Amino acid sequence: KNEVEQSPQNLTAQEGEFITINCSYSVGISALHWLQQHPGGGIVSLFMLSSGKKKHGRLIATINIQEKHSSLHITASHPRDSAVYICAVRLAYTDKLIFGTGTRLQVFP
Amino acid sequence: GAGVSQSPSNKVTEKGKDVELRCDPISGHTALYWYRQSLGQGLEFLIYFQGNSAPDKSGLPSDRFSAERTGGSVSTLTIQRTQQEDSAVYLCASSLALDRVNQPQHFGDGTRLSIL
Repeated sequence: KNEVEQSPQNLTAQEGEFITINCSYSVGISALHWLQQHPGGGIVSLFMLSSGKKKHGRLIATINIQEKHSSLHITASHPRDSAVYICAVRLAYTDKLIFGTGTRLQVFP
Repeated sequence: GAGVSQSPSNKVTEKGKDVELRCDPISGHTALYWYRQSLGQGLEFLIYFQGNSAPDKSGLPSDRFSAERTGGSVSTLTIQRTQQEDSAVYLCASSLALDRVNQPQHFGDGTRLSIL
């Protein structure tokens, strides 16, 4: 079993839909990252959080430390949101990141 | 520079040759990370530098892989006697690392390495 599991692996949506991507982990962590990787490979860090909730524009990330679960929400999705979304956890007491396998999102107009 | 810079952007080489990949982090970022992304696979942690030292080398796949960082800035990842399974995109990221407070990582565009 992977230490970081993401679901779903693939997701398609119509423009305007509300999107949720989930991440569960089985290890002790000090922080969790959500990353976005566009076709062509560039990676952008969206959020880094260790508790609670963060919001940036149409993106919202939440984490529940007790349940070892995080969600990334996209409101009013747009075709330009199409990308692979990757969850990564920073292991507690180290600087090592462990990555989920990513969720491929396609938003159609 | 404004962001993390990696060179070369693409490298094609023959099996058995040595390759050297370079990463220029954002100025002032003391933490530097190397990752690998094989075709169709997820990201894999390789090594982390805090300043010039690498406290965690556990992610390096074999003793053919080595990395160094000088002057707390530029880092090089060297792969000796390359094998076809080394073909991947090698990504570098940097972050501020102040008293071990978590900081977001900024990624370079990667070096796409192809071993023939």
